[in-house]
Amino acid sequence: GAGVSQSPRYKVTKRGQDVTLRCDPISSHATLYWYQQALGQGPEFLTYFNYEAQPDKSGLPSDRFSAERPEGSISTLTIQRTEQRDSAMYRCASSLGQAKGEETQYFGPGTRLLVL
Amino acid sequence: GQSLEQPSEVTAVEGAIVQINCTYQTSGFYGLSWYQQHDGGAPTFLSYNGLDGLEETGRFSSFLSRSDSYGYLLLQELQMKDSASYFCAVRDHNKLSFGAGTTVTVRA
Repeated sequence: GAGVSQSPRYKVTKRGQDVTLRCDPISSHATLYWYQQALGQGPEFLTYFNYEAQPDKSGLPSDRFSAERPEGSISTLTIQRTEQRDSAMYRCASSLGQAKGEETQYFGPGTRLLVL
Repeated sequence: GQSLEQPSEVTAVEGAIVQINCTYQTSGFYGLSWYQQHDGGAPTFLSYNGLDGLEETGRFSSFLSRSDSYGYLLLQELQMKDSASYFCAVRDHNKLSFGAGTTVTVRA
């Protein structure tokens, strides 16, 4: 696609429910990143994929968070048993790759998650 | 871990020049990026320094000194549309670590 898209744009859920967020990266991009952004703060790294491989998930806050990219394109981020502290903007970004000159990340519009 | 420091707010008038400094402490370093984010919008890439020195892109320039763990973003000929948050971000291997951002307010 022309840019990174995410859905839903807004999600309100009750504490304890599971949510799944979706990211559709720029079509030629091999690398996909997930970030969490609190109000007034910079994005915080959660995890990333090279195609379908997930080399680094060190930023995932707990084992309730998981992500996948089974076919190397669209990715989902799932939060199980949501808690109020999970409320944040979740942003996806993609880049051509990770080699020099390919590493610029393009961000999607984000999914604003509110856990009641 | 990573630690980045940048001023929280800067205010300037149209046509002025603003410099946003960023100092960092990182376990690994591949380069320093700058992103702009308007209220309610997504971060958009502005500039990247992988080597020491100045990179110029139109009205925006970015500088890096790796020996000082320091960089800055220079905004020239400020326009109202430049009112936004600006983030420095360190590239460490495969991920970006962002600062807390600097809110730039441009006044007429």
